[in-house]
Amino acid sequence: DTEVTQTPKHLVMGMTNKKSLKCEQHMGHRAMYWYKQKAKKPPELMFVYSYEKLSINESVPSRFSPECPNSSLLNLHLHALQPEDSALYLCASSQDRVRGGPYEQYFGPGTRLTVT
Amino acid sequence: AQSVTQLGSHVSVSEGALVLLRCNYSSSVPPYLFWYVQYPNQGLQLLLKYTTGATLVKGINGFEAEFNKSQTSFHLRKPSVHISDTAEYFCAVSDLYNQGGKLIFGQGTELSVKP
Repeated sequence: DTEVTQTPKHLVMGMTNKKSLKCEQHMGHRAMYWYKQKAKKPPELMFVYSYEKLSINESVPSRFSPECPNSSLLNLHLHALQPEDSALYLCASSQDRVRGGPYEQYFGPGTRLTVT
Repeated sequence: AQSVTQLGSHVSVSEGALVLLRCNYSSSVPPYLFWYVQYPNQGLQLLLKYTTGATLVKGINGFEAEFNKSQTSFHLRKPSVHISDTAEYFCAVSDLYNQGGKLIFGQGTELSVKP
């Protein structure tokens, strides 16, 4: 099973709302990633978790708050977003990043976020 | 720093034709190279990867790519494309020693296959 699931599929939120995106994998992977993707552009890395610890934060604004409750789950909490944050948010996972690579990343289908 | 250049942001071919999508990379150490495909309104799916060993790599859906160290290239090809191959294709590079194994993506090539 090489599936990464993401919920919800679509999300519309106002600038004062608080919402969360959820990602789940059951492949035993110990690294999980959040990406933001604008139309016709490659994914941009936001956060990396390795062994449930935040290892990379690509200078993402604090209105995005990641959380890794356990090795299978990754959340992205959203608060006070701006219209320019509208994008496709992709989650990915890969094997242990510590022991060497290359460990290809498996992507979920994404959450299409619209901020009004 | 690593970088990836994909030549041609849009490629259009007829069904049954050979398609070649170009990717050049820069890396100061031996790279790991990947091709991903993204169908409309979906996430990215791994087509194939190069790590070490044989330079011709075969992937899913009839795609293959050849690693050329001297030309720092990793071009993707398919001998006979199908309409269902219409999608965005991303080349990506990583290595363990730089940037913690992060994936560095090219800008993507949109492939349109016409009947």
